[in-house]
Amino acid sequence: GAVVSQHPSRVICKSGTSVKIECRSLDFQATTMFWYRQFPKQSLMLMATSNEGSKATYEQGVEKDKFLINHASLTLSTLTVTSAHPEDSSFYICSALPGAGGRPYQETQYFGPGTRLLVL
Amino acid sequence: AQSVTQLGSHVSVSEGALVLLRCNYSSSVPPYLFWYVQYPNQGLQLLLKYTTGATLVKGINGFEAEFKKSETSFHLTKPSAHMSDAAEYFCAVIRMDSSYKLIFGSGTRLLVRP
Repeated sequence: GAVVSQHPSRVICKSGTSVKIECRSLDFQATTMFWYRQFPKQSLMLMATSNEGSKATYEQGVEKDKFLINHASLTLSTLTVTSAHPEDSSFYICSALPGAGGRPYQETQYFGPGTRLLVL
Repeated sequence: AQSVTQLGSHVSVSEGALVLLRCNYSSSVPPYLFWYVQYPNQGLQLLLKYTTGATLVKGINGFEAEFKKSETSFHLTKPSAHMSDAAEYFCAVIRMDSSYKLIFGSGTRLLVRP
């Protein structure tokens, strides 16, 4: 149980285009999902918290117009990198917190396999 | 403020040897602590967690960790390393502000020598 998927697993795009990454909880509902960015040989950096049915909250320094987050259902959150540039190239990882109605059932985050983005 | 410190960015052990990955935390309230493992180009997999109760926690793949409040530590151990244990390991503490956000350590890369 507690499986989280991400799609696509890797994407290459041209500078200036937008890229959408999907994060799905496959066998549980997730009232909250988190989006992280990871640079090579570094730890995870939290970008934003995605709550079902409400606006995402962004960490300090993260451009909300650059990284659009939508959490339209209890099993799906999407991250759209708008007008991507080479500096946006990174490994993006999502995680999901089991729960519904704005209330987590537990404190453990389950992570997706990550999406490798390369912007040329 | 809460924080997590992982001593040693790289740890190298021989196959069959004891694995010890260190994690110290700072928290003004009883912490919830986690160890995650990350294999190359993959997401994070939960190894084990401590919330309340027994301070020695057993996880998957033969790993265990002991919560020591007096030492503010949550070190990860495995009696006998296997080649498949080579990966990046992250210690994390959950923020106690109802956000459920994780504060990660900088990670420790475990290398297992044949």
